[in-house]
Amino acid sequence: DTGVSQNPRHKITKRGQNVTFRCDPISEHNRLYWYRQTLGQGPEFLTYFQNEAQLEKSRLLSDRFSAERPKGSFSTLEIQRTEQGDSAMYLCASSPRAVEAFFGQGTRLTVV
Amino acid sequence: AQSVAQPEDQVNVAEGNPLTVKCTYSVSGNPYLFWYVQYPNRGLQFLLKYITGDNLVKGSYGFEAEFNKSQTSFHLKKPSALVSDSALYFCAVSYPGGSYIPTFGRGTSLIVHP
Repeated sequence: DTGVSQNPRHKITKRGQNVTFRCDPISEHNRLYWYRQTLGQGPEFLTYFQNEAQLEKSRLLSDRFSAERPKGSFSTLEIQRTEQGDSAMYLCASSPRAVEAFFGQGTRLTVV
Repeated sequence: AQSVAQPEDQVNVAEGNPLTVKCTYSVSGNPYLFWYVQYPNRGLQFLLKYITGDNLVKGSYGFEAEFNKSQTSFHLKKPSALVSDSALYFCAVSYPGGSYIPTFGRGTSLIVHP
């Protein structure tokens, strides 16, 4: 399968714990996006990378959120000191140019 | 700034009938417009896009959309709906001044009745 891959698919964590999600984009896609989606809402933009450079991070929800894309390949999204309000679907997408993005199946986070 | 409005939370249509899912947008500049479909507990699947050229664009699974610049709309259409088309549909817009970052609408639930 050469699509966008996200791991894990589901994550249940206790409040206050740190979590990290991984995204493997489609090979040779230089753009990588992270979005958050809550029930009944459309995807909400968090951050994006052009190769290894994080070009927009002001929309990350708080300083507890951070993302990396070492070497311009896979990316990780970390949430520190999770809160119940962080429960959501976290979506990763990649794009070969500034046109349509291709999404992974998402990581569903539940904070208990 | 850019934004997308999907005025209908839900659209109901009978199988075999034509369907329309509405989308309007607001951007400062020439828009890039997209439609995506989402099935339960899945990511978003790209359907079609408008970048430039013909206002009527055709996409996957028999869907098409018409770009109307004067009305700032990009409605999704299909001539004959299938029960399997039932899903969540999202419209998105990007533009050069916004670093081409797609902004999504809230989504419209399409329900096709047998």
